[in-house]
Amino acid sequence: SQQGEEDPQALSIQEGENATMNCSYKTSINNLQWYRQNSGRGLVHLILIRSNEREKHSGRLRVTLDTSKKSSSLLITASRAADTASYFCATVPSAGGTSYGKLTFGQGTILTVHP
Amino acid sequence: DGGITQSPKYLFRKEGQNVTLSCEQNLNHDAMYWYRQDPGQGLRLIYYSQIVNDFQKGDIAEGYSVSREKKESFPLTVTSAQKNPTAFYLCASSPASGGYNEQFFGPGTRLTVL
Repeated sequence: SQQGEEDPQALSIQEGENATMNCSYKTSINNLQWYRQNSGRGLVHLILIRSNEREKHSGRLRVTLDTSKKSSSLLITASRAADTASYFCATVPSAGGTSYGKLTFGQGTILTVHP
Repeated sequence: DGGITQSPKYLFRKEGQNVTLSCEQNLNHDAMYWYRQDPGQGLRLIYYSQIVNDFQKGDIAEGYSVSREKKESFPLTVTSAQKNPTAFYLCASSPASGGYNEQFFGPGTRLTVL
């Protein structure tokens, strides 16, 4: 089963608005990563946040991590039409076990930004 | 240009045929990965390699095979034993083994079984 589950499955907003996507996971993690995928393309890494971090920023992106709730959120501020893509969270479990070091992806959120 | 390349971009296979998807990287990364993506789904790990001449099965390895004879190359063979091979295949690499660093993805190969 997927470790990360994104919410919502699809999000439609107007240019200039903020977009928030959420990710929940089930087991203890070493880190959580967010990726972006344009239609029919490969994935592009956005941000990696480690389990001992609570918030990270990169340009218009802000990621938060709440390990007590096993959840993360990705905020894109002042969205642009070019932000239209699918966004995936991926988790890396804590050390130990057969899943050591492997990324497990959620099903993604499809973001559409209308000009 | 540094990066990760996959070929071909589109591949058509008849039932019963084996096909090999190419993945090459010039990033000097130790670890390489193969994922499968089905429509509207996330990525599922097929195989991964942490070092040359070594690889491990991922979550959905049945019907697939790989080799890692060179650091730069990690080809994936989709065998006739894979019952539902139509999908988008993504190769990735990372500087070190595991998910403790970001992964860099290739552009993908879309495989269709006729």
